[in-house]
Amino acid sequence: DSGVTQTPKHLITATGQRVTLRCSPRSGDLSVYWYQQSLDQGLQFLIQYYNGEERAKGNILERFSAQQFPDLHSELNLSSLELGDSALYFCASSVDGQTNYGYTFGSGTRLTVV
Amino acid sequence: DAKTTQPPSMDCAEGRAANLPCNHSTISGNEYVYWYRQIHSQGPQYIIHGLKNNETNEMASLIITEDRKSSTLILPHATLRDTAVYYCIATSGAGSYQLTFGKGTKLSVIP
Repeated sequence: DSGVTQTPKHLITATGQRVTLRCSPRSGDLSVYWYQQSLDQGLQFLIQYYNGEERAKGNILERFSAQQFPDLHSELNLSSLELGDSALYFCASSVDGQTNYGYTFGSGTRLTVV
Repeated sequence: DAKTTQPPSMDCAEGRAANLPCNHSTISGNEYVYWYRQIHSQGPQYIIHGLKNNETNEMASLIITEDRKSSTLILPHATLRDTAVYYCIATSGAGSYQLTFGKGTKLSVIP
């Protein structure tokens, strides 16, 4: 157990639907990062939050959004889902926005869009 | 982040040292070298990082050349559980500190 909790572990939904992925960072970590991993794209950085505020954006589609709440958990919202959104979604956390100890990743949410 | 180049795959016999190379010839002075690994669709796992000195922890050793243009991750006694994709990343860690993962090296530890 890495200390980063992601729920649900698996999600199957239909095209056009909306889903929410949840991440609880490791205790004491202020920063949360979201990554998408599909078979053909590898690990792609989506977005980072630090202590409730958006810090950096990567290759995140406009149909996707995220937020970090006061208790530091984060949610990634995916809407108007397409088949190509099927992927593993990982959340990671770190103590702050820059650290000497690297990220700690969760075990991921496997999203299947049918 | 500086571009890194790794071999796509490597084999290593169980119990032997696994030496995974990484080229980062355009690395800048303030960029660290980080190593992560991902075991079969699990979340990536931090292994080790360094700036210019060699580093060792309970998992591995990191050897960085004096000119910092390349590095080697060493798993001293590889086990079957070390079979994974290993990612080498060069980043300054400043500001937003997002990690950019390449394709990595698929290490297969063979019995």
